Amino acid sequence: AQSVTQLGSHVSVSEGALVLLRCNYSSSVPPYLFWYVQYPNQGLQLLLKYTSAATLVKGINGFEAEFKKSETSFHLTKPSAHMSDAAEYFCAVSDNFGNEKLTFGTGTRLTIIP
Amino acid sequence: ETGVTQSPTHLIKTRGQQVTLRCSSQSGHNTVSWYQQALGQGPQFIFQYYREEENGRGNFPPRFSGLQFPNYSSELNVNALELDDSALYLCASRHTNSGANVLTFGAGSRLTVL
Repeated sequence: AQSVTQLGSHVSVSEGALVLLRCNYSSSVPPYLFWYVQYPNQGLQLLLKYTSAATLVKGINGFEAEFKKSETSFHLTKPSAHMSDAAEYFCAVSDNFGNEKLTFGTGTRLTIIP
Repeated sequence: ETGVTQSPTHLIKTRGQQVTLRCSSQSGHNTVSWYQQALGQGPQFIFQYYREEENGRGNFPPRFSGLQFPNYSSELNVNALELDDSALYLCASRHTNSGANVLTFGAGSRLTVL
């Protein structure tokens, strides 16, 4: 079975500081990995995805994530936090056999300190 | 894309009742999935429909059922409601021409069971 673990249910960073949200995965097959963002009272929005091409994936809003097989990690980063980045972030995994099922982590709430 | 529309946005039911949640996707979105997001948790996969047939199911009992219609709308039905069914229910769809697992999520229907 596939799973993801998000380390830190709450992360606070100052505006302009580096954002680092951690995600480790477990999968018996090469995984597809995703980061989604959820703003209050809204659905989930795809930030970026890894599907076995380049290991460094660039997404929307200046976010990027690096797939590290040796560490089974897919951490999300952004060089400089903006107030608008405050939201809940979810890491997710699926297999790569056309199954649409996503297995999500428990989420990390990002707070930006002015 | 204008996204996925869900209704109702909020509703309250009592134990034992039945509920129907609705989702409207865009033309060409032949795959629809439903997820349950309990408070403070990540979304959990309930099931998926493709061209009006269920083709994947998570660890949910049979009292959770669904329908997909030719007009790209779908329903989630839950019978014999239990207190633990209180959650945000998310509908997600994928356009036929989108990459695998590139899902568009609705804002959800928040169900409270008393």
